[in-house]
Amino acid sequence: EAGVVQSPRYKIIEKKQPVAFWCNPISGHNTLYWYRQNLGQGPELLIRYENEEAVDDSQLPKDRFSAERLKGVDSTLKIQPAELGDSAVYLCASSHTAVPGTQYFGPGTRLLVL
Amino acid sequence: DAKTTQPNSMESNEEEPVHLPCNHSTISGTDYIHWYRQLPSQGPEYVIHGLTSNVNNRMASLAIAEDRKSSTLILHRATLRDAAVYYCILSLLQGAQKLVFGQGTRLTINP
Repeated sequence: EAGVVQSPRYKIIEKKQPVAFWCNPISGHNTLYWYRQNLGQGPELLIRYENEEAVDDSQLPKDRFSAERLKGVDSTLKIQPAELGDSAVYLCASSHTAVPGTQYFGPGTRLLVL
Repeated sequence: DAKTTQPNSMESNEEEPVHLPCNHSTISGTDYIHWYRQLPSQGPEYVIHGLTSNVNNRMASLAIAEDRKSSTLILHRATLRDAAVYYCILSLLQGAQKLVFGQGTRLTINP
């Protein structure tokens, strides 16, 4: 079974530029999460989707961050414009309703904003 | 969300057992105890979870105190591949599926 796929794995951009991250969850997983992990810290939840509905986006900085999960499968997280403080690893995870509490994480996208 | 407290770092030797402690004195009756680990340059990986009884799986064992205010993740025979940051997390198993990660314990395994 394929795991959670994320791309790109690494991204370097200049501040004020836009950037987008893509995630393909495990097949059949209806719940999808985006986390941000700063250096030396644990991951922090940005947004959680149940199918195509964002059910928890309270930690998403909505002035510059946006996310979508069309058709309830793949998801894209966008930052526009990026700031220096956005440098972090962006992790996508998915889970299945039948096995609550177990999330499967992708390898993450490491973003560096110069 | 109820908080957990873990040591910042621990060190052990290869092929020896490792006991990773976690304190969660404000745990509620509906909180499950989850353990995840994160190997270098990878996303977190589920290890084990439990509610009241001790749990075993192929990766580890989880020992939960009778009052549930603390728990211990046990790696029975550590290998170099077990070197990682281990996170102890409390979460409602039903509903929100929300995991709030702390800083975890960085485990170093000496050959």
